Amino acid sequence: GENVEQHPSTLSVQEGDSAVIKCTYSDSASNYFPWYKQELGKRPQLIIDIRSNVGEKKDQRIAVTLNKTAKHFSLHITETQPEDSAVYFCAANTGFQKLVFGTGTRLLVSP
Amino acid sequence: GAVVSQHPSWVICKSGTSVKIECRSLDFQATTMFWYRQFPKQSLMLMATSNEGSKATYEQGVEKDKFLINHASLTLSTLTVTSAHPEDSSFYICSVTGQMNTEAFFGQGTRLTVV
Repeated sequence: GENVEQHPSTLSVQEGDSAVIKCTYSDSASNYFPWYKQELGKRPQLIIDIRSNVGEKKDQRIAVTLNKTAKHFSLHITETQPEDSAVYFCAANTGFQKLVFGTGTRLLVSP
Repeated sequence: GAVVSQHPSWVICKSGTSVKIECRSLDFQATTMFWYRQFPKQSLMLMATSNEGSKATYEQGVEKDKFLINHASLTLSTLTVTSAHPEDSSFYICSVTGQMNTEAFFGQGTRLTVV
């Protein structure tokens, strides 16, 4: 089955810096890779996703890149702000509509 | 996207009792819903796939007789934690896949504390 690894587990940056979170997956059949942001005690919120027919996608300060050959994808946040502080999860689809999540990255943006 | 409502948002129960959690898809009919469990500072682990009108499909290691799932309508799935124990204390969260068959939309989650 699919296995998703995520690094780093924690990431501390200064406000205005960029943050990069990386994930690898194992199932070459996976074709959908979302990123979720979860604040403490709340539901995960989809922030960006990418499908396997695209190599990069950008939405304002957030971008995701995908390397299908290497089976890895990354989240890039530029000009970080304190409100970006949260736990971020990557995921990959497997089977019918199922998602397998990475272990999460706790991002702390200091003012 | 889909609007998913989960109830209750938190519950405290005594060991040995059962707790039912509801997950509703408010704006579209969901033949499939998913149930996850999230322990503190950990990731979301898929417990089971809830299928409307048929039996749920459980992930390896999840006891189907302990975590009863019912998906009797296209808008409602329920998860019942039977004979709850303190180790069942966790954040339980459901999701619905959107009409593109890929995006997952989550309920607000239920924090279960078993004392």
